[in-house]
Amino acid sequence: GAVVSQHPSWVICKSGTSVKIECRSLDFQATTMFWYRQFPKQSLMLMATSNEGSKATYEQGVEKDKFLINHASLTLSTLTVTSAHPEDSSFYICSASRQGSAGELFFGEGSRLTVL
Amino acid sequence: AQKITQTQPGMFVQEKEAVTLDCTYDTSDQSYGLFWYKQPSSGEMIFLIYQGSYDEQNATEGRYSLNFQKARKSANLVISASQLGDSAMYFCAMRRPPGNTPLVFGKGTRLSVIA
Repeated sequence: GAVVSQHPSWVICKSGTSVKIECRSLDFQATTMFWYRQFPKQSLMLMATSNEGSKATYEQGVEKDKFLINHASLTLSTLTVTSAHPEDSSFYICSASRQGSAGELFFGEGSRLTVL
Repeated sequence: AQKITQTQPGMFVQEKEAVTLDCTYDTSDQSYGLFWYKQPSSGEMIFLIYQGSYDEQNATEGRYSLNFQKARKSANLVISASQLGDSAMYFCAMRRPPGNTPLVFGKGTRLSVIA
């Protein structure tokens, strides 16, 4: 099946630093990728839609200057958490759809961010 | 707007028994897709089953089947012959026709399989 790879799986950083999370579609081209955030024991909440070659579309309440999304190629989208604070600690997970599939989204492994 | 409701925060099932996880949805779209994902403690999202809004037959994938009742706007997941490895969070989700649209998730149900 389609594979989406996310890196890093775990990251711990100091408050005020920036962290970049990469999401790659390994065996298909993804013109659109989605970034979700999941707090402990909660559901996945859509943060933004990442479109190759254009600006990301952010959901209401998500700070676009804090969560920078870049989709520079058909196989790579990055999420940068700028000036991270402890409240940004969460599980971030990306996903992409592949043409010809049933419509399911393929998810990366997720990245667990802890801001000290 | 699309909305998914999962009313069971947690469920217990005896090993080898069947279990039904409830899901209702709300949408004004005529065409949509319904999905179930499994999330073990590792965090990965595992796709289980898909049902299109125009599919007349209920979807089945191995031990998973989706009880689709369109008039009631429900899409319950049935897991037959439960196994210990089925213990996980289960999310119901929906999506507009395949394209550049995201999945909208319910709150999830935590299933615990008891030996």
